This record gives sequence, structure tokens and C-alpha cells, in this order.
Amino acid sequence: EAGVTQFPSHSVIEKGQTVTLRCDPISGHDNLYWYRRVMGKEIKFLLHFVKESKQDESGMPNNRFLAERTGGTYSTLKVQPAELEDSGVYFCASRPGGRIYGYTFGSGTRLTVV
Amino acid sequence: QKEVEQNSGPLSVPEGAIASLNCTYSDRVSQSFFWYRQYSGKSPELIMSIYSNGDKEDGRFTAQLNKASQYVSLLIRDSQPSDSATYLCATSLGLGGTSYGKLTFGQGTILTVHP
Repeated sequence: EAGVTQFPSHSVIEKGQTVTLRCDPISGHDNLYWYRRVMGKEIKFLLHFVKESKQDESGMPNNRFLAERTGGTYSTLKVQPAELEDSGVYFCASRPGGRIYGYTFGSGTRLTVV
Repeated sequence: QKEVEQNSGPLSVPEGAIASLNCTYSDRVSQSFFWYRQYSGKSPELIMSIYSNGDKEDGRFTAQLNKASQYVSLLIRDSQPSDSATYLCATSLGLGGTSYGKLTFGQGTILTVHP
């Protein structure tokens, strides 16, 4: 079974530019999550998709962040315009429906805004 | 007060010893508890989940949960250098509601097992 795939693995952009991160969950996993870890802080929840619908986006920092999940398959997270404080590692995770047995995380995208 | 608190360490133990990692949480309605291991530059990997008070053992790992004290721990027996990593404690609320499935993480404890 293929795991959760994220790309790019690294991205360095200038302040004010736009970046789009992509996540391909495990096939058949209805639940897809985005998390972020900024340096020195804990991993924090951003949002949760169930299939193509946003179930919970309470963790999204502001309206510069836009997440989509096309047809309930892969998901993108766009940051526009990027700010310095957006730097960090963005993780995607997926799990099947039903009781929580723990997620499978992707390897993350390290975003650096300069 | 942080929602999930861990001692950031580093915790250093000799090879073959027992490593004890601790975590406290503030939200009493938390129902599910997880320990993830994260090697540097890699993704968090689930190693243990626990839902009921008491102990749960899986190989060299034992998770302990005490909901009354809002405390979760992870014991690693016969620690190996390959266990050196950051260990993340995470909690999740119960069934129902829009927050179902959302994990709240602690900052992680760095464990170093030296030969």
C-alpha cells in the first residue's frame, strides 16, 4: 500500500509569492488532514477534509491559506501571499473512516519564506 | 497552559535501559491517546494508541493511561540506539462533533539512547 505522498519536499519562496503544496492520501482514505509545525513549536492542526468537504478548518491561520480537495482524492494547500511566519513543515495525514486508530502522515513539505 | 505538555528533554538513557516518557493533557473530554515517533526530517510514525485506563503493551513498548490524573506515559524497555528520536504525545476528542479526529500534539520529547 502506498503511503501518504507530499510534494514538494522542500520549497523556498520569497515573501509575497504564492506556493501550493500537494498531498496524495492513501487510496480509499476519506479523511485527510493538514498540520503544520513551525520551528520550536508543536505540530498544530490546520484543517480536516472528509472526502471533498471541509469538516473542520478551525486551525487555518488566516485567509491567506486556501485548501481544496478535488473529488475527494488529492488535496492542495495554497498560501497566497506568503509571509515569513508561514515558514515551517506542513504535514498531511490520512485515515479511513470509523474509529480513530491513528493517522498515517506524509513526510511533509518544508516551506521556507525569505 | 498548553493543551498537551511534554518534557522536551533531551532524555538520555544507556542502551538496554528503560526509557520513560511522560505527557499530561488539559482537556478532560479527550478520549484517544497516541504516541508517535519522529526521526529527524521524517514523518511522525504511530507506535502506540491507547483508549482505556491502564496499561497497553506492544513488544518493547508500554503505554499507560490515567484519565483521572490526565496523564499518559510511554515506557520503552531494552532501549536501543535506533530508538533515538523525538516522541510525540497526541490526544483526540471523542466521537461526534466537527473536531472528531483532530489531534492535539505536545511539543515532543527528544530521546537519546547511547551505546
